[in-house]
Amino acid sequence: GNSVTQMEGPVTLSEEAFLTINCTYTATGYPSLFWYVQYPGEGLQLLLKATKADDKGSNKGFEATYRKETTSFHLEKGSVQVSDSAVYFCALSNNFNKFYFGSGTKLNVKP
Amino acid sequence: GAVVSQHPSWVICKSGTSVKIECRSLDFQATTMFWYRQFPKQSLMLMATSNEGSKATYEQGVEKDKFLINHASLTLSTLTVTSAHPEDSSFYICSARGPVGPGTVSYEQYFGPGTRLTVT
Repeated sequence: GNSVTQMEGPVTLSEEAFLTINCTYTATGYPSLFWYVQYPGEGLQLLLKATKADDKGSNKGFEATYRKETTSFHLEKGSVQVSDSAVYFCALSNNFNKFYFGSGTKLNVKP
Repeated sequence: GAVVSQHPSWVICKSGTSVKIECRSLDFQATTMFWYRQFPKQSLMLMATSNEGSKATYEQGVEKDKFLINHASLTLSTLTVTSAHPEDSSFYICSARGPVGPGTVSYEQYFGPGTRLTVT
């Protein structure tokens, strides 16, 4: 079956620190992988995606590489800002209909 | 562009009553809408998929008579929780998918901000 596992939070970092949020998956077929971000009081927003193995998705300084051999899609950012504080969800989809989400990781960035 | 709203943002109702949650796509026509449920510290779980003008397709284990979904127009879908009970308390999120510009076809889902339902 399909499932996504991501590290539990909250993750608390100081501004300009390096961020890694781990995400691993199990899937049938060849899924696309996504990271969504949810700011307080808002809906989920697509942060980045990768549609095949070895693809790297990137946006706003965040990056994630689709690693088929380790079934992972870890989210990284070299220097976080206070404005990056949010909840981050890893997800997969085989057909852009049904999405399987991880449980979300809350990131707190302190000045 | 591609904004999805939900109303209400939170609601408290008494056990046995019904509550309706609206999901609207504000600046595009949503050919497909999705309803998710999220328990605290857990994943979003897809409840049902609805195409405009058609009956919703429910995921396994979701009671279609309890969670009534209507997608009567290209900009509005509603979820009605009938005879609500405390175990229905949860965070309900909708998403919408459709072309977001002239001549485009988008496969991306755009999510609403969610509705917190508390049943007492």
